[in-house]
Amino acid sequence: RKEVEQDPGPFNVPEGATVAFNCTYSNSASQSFFWYRQDCRKEPKLLMSVYSSGNEDGRFTAQLNRASQYISLLIRDSKLSDSATYLCVVKRPGYALNFGKGTSLLVTP
Amino acid sequence: GAGVSQSPRYKVAKRGQDVALRCDPISGHVSLFWYQQALGQGPEFLTYFQNEAQLDKSGLPSDRFFAERPEGSVSTLKIQRTQQEDSAVYLCASSLAGEGAVGYTFGSGTRLTVV
Repeated sequence: RKEVEQDPGPFNVPEGATVAFNCTYSNSASQSFFWYRQDCRKEPKLLMSVYSSGNEDGRFTAQLNRASQYISLLIRDSKLSDSATYLCVVKRPGYALNFGKGTSLLVTP
Repeated sequence: GAGVSQSPRYKVAKRGQDVALRCDPISGHVSLFWYQQALGQGPEFLTYFQNEAQLDKSGLPSDRFFAERPEGSVSTLKIQRTQQEDSAVYLCASSLAGEGAVGYTFGSGTRLTVV
């Protein structure tokens, strides 16, 4: 079983829709949590960190539930440019980041 | 340079051939990571350097994989006797701080195809 699990999708949504992605992690000692975005044939790029108190960056809201070992990402008012793969990322003690498989999002006109 | 530079961008190797993949991190970045990303998967950790010291190589899939960073800057990932299952994108990332803090910058990757 992978340490970080995500629904791979794809999620096809119309422009302007709200879409939510979920992620679970198995290692309770995990320390830091992130969402990365990866465009087709490009490298992953940090979208936002995730905190227990919840955090927002424009149209993006991330939430962490440590008790349930669950992470979410909400995208409001989807744009065509939001089409990408969203990777849930967890850092446990040590050096490595652990990536989920990613959730594919396609925003259509 | 401004970003993490990887070369070559694409590499086609015949099965059994040795390959060497290069990563030039952002100047002054202490930490350097190698990840392997197979098609349809997220990146998987391979190894970590802090300056020239290889502090974690637990993700290297077999003894055919070897990485070095002799002067604490450029790193090379070498794969000996390549197999078809080695086909993947190999991503290098660097960061200023130790222990893989936020602030990773990934390179564009080397896409390896073993035929």
